[in-house]
Amino acid sequence: GQQVMQIPQYQHVQEGEDFTTYCNSSTTLSNIQWYKQRPGGHPVFLIQLVKSGEVKKQKRLTFQFGEAKKNSSLHITATQTTDVGTYFCSATNAGKSTFGDGTTLTVKP
Amino acid sequence: DGGITQSPKYLFRKEGQNVTLSCEQNLNHDAMYWYRQDPGQGLRLIYYSQIVNDFQKGDIAEGYSVSREKKESFPLTVTSAQKNPTAFYLCASSTPANTRELFFGEGSRLTVL
Repeated sequence: GQQVMQIPQYQHVQEGEDFTTYCNSSTTLSNIQWYKQRPGGHPVFLIQLVKSGEVKKQKRLTFQFGEAKKNSSLHITATQTTDVGTYFCSATNAGKSTFGDGTTLTVKP
Repeated sequence: DGGITQSPKYLFRKEGQNVTLSCEQNLNHDAMYWYRQDPGQGLRLIYYSQIVNDFQKGDIAEGYSVSREKKESFPLTVTSAQKNPTAFYLCASSTPANTRELFFGEGSRLTVL
C-alpha cells in the first residue's frame, strides 16, 4: 500500500521561530490530509489538499501540495506555545487513510 | 453534542485475557475505523467498516476482531493472540461524502500487565 514518510521526527523551536514539517511519498498521491494531536489528546483534522501545487493557509499555518503530488509541507510562522503537539500527514486511497509517523513540535517560551 | 465516544479511557489487562474496547458515534457516519498508536509512531489501521455488517482488515489486524451490527457502534476486541497489545487505541469515523476527513474519539489506553 501507499506509504508516507515525515521529517523531521522531532523539532524544538524557540517561541516566535518558524517551523516546517515535510511529508514525502514515492508514489503519486491523490490527496493529503494534515492532523494535529496535542499531548495526551487525539488527532484533529486540519486540512485536505487535492490539487497539484495547491497552497492553503489557516492563519499562521501554510499547507502545500507538491507539483508532482508526491510531497507536502506544513509551515507555521512565528510559533506559539499553543502550537505544541504532533503533526501528522495522511493519504487516503479506497477509503483507507495511511498516516506518517508525525513530527513532534515543542516550543520553548 | 455530536461526536465519538470511546470507553474505557484506561484499561489494564492480564496476559491471556481478551478485552473489548467500545466505540459509539452519533454523527450518522457510515464509515468507522480502528487505529493503534505506539509511542513516537504514527497511526496504524487495524480494521475499518464502510457499512453496517461489513468490515475489512487493515494493516495490522492479527490478534484483533471487530463487529459492526449497528451503524453507531464498532467495538474492537483485543484477543490474547495479540502479542504486544499495550498501546493507545483510537476509533474514528467519516462521512460517505468525504472519507478523507476522519473524526477521532479520545482514545483508549490499554496496558497489559
